Amino acid sequence: GQQLNQSPQSMFIQEGEDVSMNCTSSSIFNTWLWYKQDPGEGPVLLIALYKAGELTSNGRLTAQFGITRKDSFLNISASIPSDVGIYFCAGQLGGSGGSNYKLTFGKGTLLTVNP
Amino acid sequence: SQTIHQWPATLVQPVGSPLSLECTVEGTSNPNLYWYRQAAGRGLQLLFYSVGIGQISSEVPQNLSASRPQDRQFILSSKKLLLSDSGFYLCAWSVIYGERYQWDTEAFFGQGTRLTVV
Repeated sequence: GQQLNQSPQSMFIQEGEDVSMNCTSSSIFNTWLWYKQDPGEGPVLLIALYKAGELTSNGRLTAQFGITRKDSFLNISASIPSDVGIYFCAGQLGGSGGSNYKLTFGKGTLLTVNP
Repeated sequence: SQTIHQWPATLVQPVGSPLSLECTVEGTSNPNLYWYRQAAGRGLQLLFYSVGIGQISSEVPQNLSASRPQDRQFILSSKKLLLSDSGFYLCAWSVIYGERYQWDTEAFFGQGTRLTVV
């Protein structure tokens, strides 16, 4: 089955630093999604990517859909304490067929920001 | 706008007791619905997904079952809970914006249910 490798598993950074995390897959996805989860809450969608090579920004967040369709990265610029949380990537194959609607998640990147 | 409701927020149940978690979506029609379990604050494991009323697909063999009695209602159940069923359960929904070969989707999660089996 499809698997996503997300790295790094955790990061400890100082406030103001930039952050980069990525996901790679053994097979292609046609949609990449990035989520953030705060403790005890459900994941919140940050950015959705639909086309290979697409670069999308949402405030201080920037994500890219890899050309090969097998990877994606998320950058956070000028980190602040509220950026703390677990960041997940997710891929979906899409297209017709029920099983193609499934989202496959990476194992998450735990981000800690020191003030 | 679309919203997703999941309840209860927390639940403590004894081993061997039944379980029923409910999830409802408002503001959209014919959504795809999902149940995920998250253990130890990391990793989202897909348990069930549904593309329509009465259509349930199970991803992993387990002590749980799911049902979709209405278009926007998704229920996670168990007849007898095990200690290993403890975890954080998340319901999610998505819609597909189909355009020929490109199917765009966004998936949104509920607030989750913290289940502790004692």
